[in-house]
Amino acid sequence: GQNIDQPTEMTATEGAIVQINCTYQTSGFNGLFWYQQHAGEAPTFLSYNVLDGLEEKGRFSSFLSRSKGYSYLLLKELQMKDSASYLCAVSNFGNEKLTFGTGTRLTIIP
Amino acid sequence: DSGVTQTPKHLITATGQRVTLRCSPRSGDLSVYWYQQSLDQGLQFLIQYYNGEERAKGNILERFSAQQFPDLHSELNLSSLELGDSALYFCASSGESQFFGPGTRLTVL
Repeated sequence: GQNIDQPTEMTATEGAIVQINCTYQTSGFNGLFWYQQHAGEAPTFLSYNVLDGLEEKGRFSSFLSRSKGYSYLLLKELQMKDSASYLCAVSNFGNEKLTFGTGTRLTIIP
Repeated sequence: DSGVTQTPKHLITATGQRVTLRCSPRSGDLSVYWYQQSLDQGLQFLIQYYNGEERAKGNILERFSAQQFPDLHSELNLSSLELGDSALYFCASSGESQFFGPGTRLTVL
């Protein structure tokens, strides 16, 4: 089976940096995705990692270590609108469906 | 706007009833995925269709069924509804990644 773990809740200060971790156990790993989801809205794609290393996209970066089954999402220069749930998801070879973690609810405080 | 459309946006019905949710994928995408998200739960994969054929199945209940039509839109049918079926239902279509529609909020009373 598959197991994806991420912290349930985190709080960070406006203007600061926050790192959201995700660990996973799966067979046939084919990639890791991060999505942002505001309450009651659709998940929005943030990043995709298939190789080890850091992918940077504006204020958001995502890191992957396949040997450790570990990823993190780094958010810089936090804004109030970044308050949302952040979902880590894994895809597997031969099966394009995504398996999601339960998400990390991030609250930004002034 | 992801380019994936879903209707209706909200649906309120009673236990025992049957409903149909509709999804149109992004132009050019052949795959459609259906997910269920209950309150305080993660996204649960239900089923995937690719170019009209069922491709993968998750923990989809026997009371639920889906199909994808020649024009690539998909419908998710939920029957004998129970209170616990109240949830957000998302569909997604994929190119380089999966892009989600706005969802249908189903409330079963």
